[in-house]
Amino acid sequence: GQSLEQPSEVTAVEGAIVQINCTYQTSGFYGLSWYQQHDGGAPTFLSYNALDGLEETGRFSSFLSRSDSYGYLLLQELQMKDSASYFCAVTDTDKLIFGTGTRLQVFP
Amino acid sequence: GAVVSQHPSWVICKSGTSVKIECRSLDFQATTMFWYRQFPKQSLMLMATSNEGSKATYEQGVEKDKFLINHASLTLSTLTVTSAHPEDSSFYICSATVDGEETQYFGPGTRLLVL
Repeated sequence: GQSLEQPSEVTAVEGAIVQINCTYQTSGFYGLSWYQQHDGGAPTFLSYNALDGLEETGRFSSFLSRSDSYGYLLLQELQMKDSASYFCAVTDTDKLIFGTGTRLQVFP
Repeated sequence: GAVVSQHPSWVICKSGTSVKIECRSLDFQATTMFWYRQFPKQSLMLMATSNEGSKATYEQGVEKDKFLINHASLTLSTLTVTSAHPEDSSFYICSATVDGEETQYFGPGTRLLVL
């Protein structure tokens, strides 16, 4: 079967750094994406890794290790507005398979 | 760029009625659009892949006769929930890809409540 596992919930304080892990098992793999979703909203794209290594976009970075079927999203200098759900997603041929999602709560 | 809209944003209907949800790519042409369903506090589950000018490809377990998908133009795909029942109440989200790109751009979603 296909699965993408994430921690269900992570908490942190403003200004801190948090890492959200994603381990995957899929029949096909073209890349790993990360999406942010606020309550009641639609997912918004954060980053995409097709190759091993670290991709940095402002306060957010994403890492991929294809040999370990593992990736993570790193959020730095946390702000209250970062409180949301975060989903990893594998591009499998022509479709996205979403992870279980991680709810991040940022406290003052 | 790459804006996707959905209409309506929310809908309440009686059990047994049909509901049509529209997904439009506003500033690009989308050969392929995707329809997802999300229950509260759960992940997004792909329902079907909508291809312009051809039949949609449904995921395992999704009833194609209940969830009718039409992708008649390069900017519009519609999802019709036929004979809706309370268990169909969910958040329905569409997405579209720009040809040649991997990124999916999501619409704002449609919240359906079936009474």
